[in-house]
Amino acid sequence: AQRVTQPEKLLSVFKGAPVELKCNYSYSGSPELFWYVQYSRQRLQLLLRHISRESIKGFTADLNKGETSFHLKKPFAQEEDSAMYYCALSGQGAQKLVFGQGTRLTINP
Amino acid sequence: GAVVSQHPSRVICKSGTSVKIECRSLDFQATTMFWYRQFPKQSLMLMATSNEGSKATYEQGVEKDKFLINHASLTLSTLTVTSAHPEDSSFYICSARGVQANYGYTFGSGTRLTVV
Repeated sequence: AQRVTQPEKLLSVFKGAPVELKCNYSYSGSPELFWYVQYSRQRLQLLLRHISRESIKGFTADLNKGETSFHLKKPFAQEEDSAMYYCALSGQGAQKLVFGQGTRLTINP
Repeated sequence: GAVVSQHPSRVICKSGTSVKIECRSLDFQATTMFWYRQFPKQSLMLMATSNEGSKATYEQGVEKDKFLINHASLTLSTLTVTSAHPEDSSFYICSARGVQANYGYTFGSGTRLTVV
């Protein structure tokens, strides 16, 4: 079974501080992992895919298979980063995308 | 880039009536579409996966007779909430994945359903 856990429901940091949003997963095969962001009153947007290894808006995420984690990081938070962040997993074959509970990130000025 | 259009964005209906929500992939062919439900301040809960031309696969606990899904073409999937009740009021979101895996998953803007 696919499972994604985001342990922090709320995270608040000051502008300019580093940010780390945690994501752990459970899947027996080789997963495909994603981070999605949802700004206020907007649709879900793809932020990162682990297979593309891109850095978007200064965010990065590394897949750690040993720790089954895919934490999202940014060295210097900006106020416009305030949003809801979802970690998601797609398994082999089944293709369905399963979401974590989400973390609401608030960047304080 | 890949765009998914979901319609209507908001709908209010009376108890006992049925409501149809459409999800269209505008610039790509979607072999697989997904329907999610999102309660206030909660995450997206996968309801079902639909593949073009075949029956949808429903997640455990989702009533297939209540939530009818049709995926008749590579660009259109519909979700019909039948005999709606107030507890069906929610935010419904569709997602589509293209023929090519590198398309990833693209999401619609969602439909706010209110049953009165």
